[in-house]
Amino acid sequence: GENVEQHPSTLSVQEGDSAVIKCTYSDSASNYFPWYKQELGKGPQLIIDIRSNVGEKKDQRIAVTLNKTAKHFSLHITETQPEDSAVYFCAASSYSSASKIIFGSGTRLSIRP
Amino acid sequence: EAGVTQFPSHSVIEKGQTVTLRCDPISGHDNLYWYRRVMGKEIKFLLHFVKESKQDESGMPNNRFLAERTGGTYSTLKVQPAELEDSGVYFCASSQEGRQGLYEQYFGPGTRLTVT
Repeated sequence: GENVEQHPSTLSVQEGDSAVIKCTYSDSASNYFPWYKQELGKGPQLIIDIRSNVGEKKDQRIAVTLNKTAKHFSLHITETQPEDSAVYFCAASSYSSASKIIFGSGTRLSIRP
Repeated sequence: EAGVTQFPSHSVIEKGQTVTLRCDPISGHDNLYWYRRVMGKEIKFLLHFVKESKQDESGMPNNRFLAERTGGTYSTLKVQPAELEDSGVYFCASSQEGRQGLYEQYFGPGTRLTVT
């Protein structure tokens, strides 16, 4: 069935350094890849997304890349700050329909001061 | 604009008891989803309502789970009888077609269910 694999499960980086989280998906029909950030006591919040007709998208310190052929996508956070500490989920879905989201298992990112 | 709200935030019940979780979606959102995260694993889809109709319930684990959305507004998810493996965080999300045909899902804070 549909599956999204996410690595690593935990990541600790020095403040100011970059963090990279990688995901792969199995369903060729997926064409929408959102990334969610979950802070303690809150629900997942969309931080950036990318569609399959785009290879890269950037929003300030956050960037996402997509390799549709290899079914890989990744999240890059540059100049990390303490407030970036959270659990990050990659996901796959279809943007043109109100379909379910398939989530990765999450990455707990910790920023060391 | 109020976001997705869920009640209660935390519930502790004994095995065999019944629990009902409630979700109030963003006003005007026809699509309502239930997801759950069990023991630090991935967030898994349970079911999807379009207004009051069940569009996709392929993720419901078994017949101890019953979801309703009477009137197409708020939704309830009842677990009866609860088992230990039902412990986890239950999320609700809602969406409506937005710009460029995008159905962004907005998530509530979740209900943490602990079955002892």
